[in-house]
Amino acid sequence: ETGVTQSPTHLIKTRGQQVTLRCSSQSGHNTVSWYQQALGQGPQFIFQYYREEENGRGNFPPRFSGLQFPNYSSELNVNALELDDSALYLCASSSGTAGYTFGSGTRLTVV
Amino acid sequence: LAKTTQPISMDSYEGQEVNITCSHNNIATNDYITWYQQFPSQGPRFIIQGYKTKVTNEVASLFIPADRKSSTLSLPRVSLSDTAVYYCLVGGLTGGGNKLTFGTGTQLKVEL
Repeated sequence: ETGVTQSPTHLIKTRGQQVTLRCSSQSGHNTVSWYQQALGQGPQFIFQYYREEENGRGNFPPRFSGLQFPNYSSELNVNALELDDSALYLCASSSGTAGYTFGSGTRLTVV
Repeated sequence: LAKTTQPISMDSYEGQEVNITCSHNNIATNDYITWYQQFPSQGPRFIIQGYKTKVTNEVASLFIPADRKSSTLSLPRVSLSDTAVYYCLVGGLTGGGNKLTFGTGTQLKVEL
C-alpha cells in the first residue's frame, strides 16, 4: 500500500500571493488533516476533512481553506500569504480506526 | 484537551536504553496516550499507543501507571538513527474526527 504523498516538496512564494498544496491520502483512508509546523515547534492542527466535509478546524484564519475530493485526496489553499506562513505543511490521513499516517510535508517559504 | 509536559531534550549513547517521561495530569477517562517520532523535514511517524499498564511493540514500550497522569516511552538499545524529536499526545482514540495536539516534543540526541 502507498503512503501519504504531498506536492510540491518545496515552494517559494511572495508575500500577498496565493498557494495550493496537494496531498494524496494513503489507500483506504477517508480522513485527511492538515498541520502547520514552524521551525522548532510541534505541528499545529489547521483543519480536517472527512468524506469531503470539513469536520474540525484549528485556530487559523479563513484565508486558510481546503478541499477533499471523492478519491479522498486533498488540497490546502492559503490566500494573501504572510511572512509568518513560512513553515512545513504536513498532511495526515487516517481510516478512522487506526493512527494517522503523515506525509513528508511541503516546505513553504514566503519572501 | 489534556496538556502534556515532557523534557525539551535528552542525550544518550548508542546501545543504552532511553526513557522519556510525559506528564498529563488532566487526562480524561476516554483519552489514549500516543507517541510519535519525527526526523528533520519529515512528517511525524506513529510509534506506539496505549491506554493503561504496558504496551510493547517491535520498536518501543509504553508504561502507564494506574493513575494515568504520566507515561514513559522506553526505547531499548538506541542507535544513532534514533536521534529525533519525540512527541507525547493525549486525546481520543486516533482516527476520524480527532485532531492531534502536539507540544514542542523531546529532542533526543544519540551519540557514539
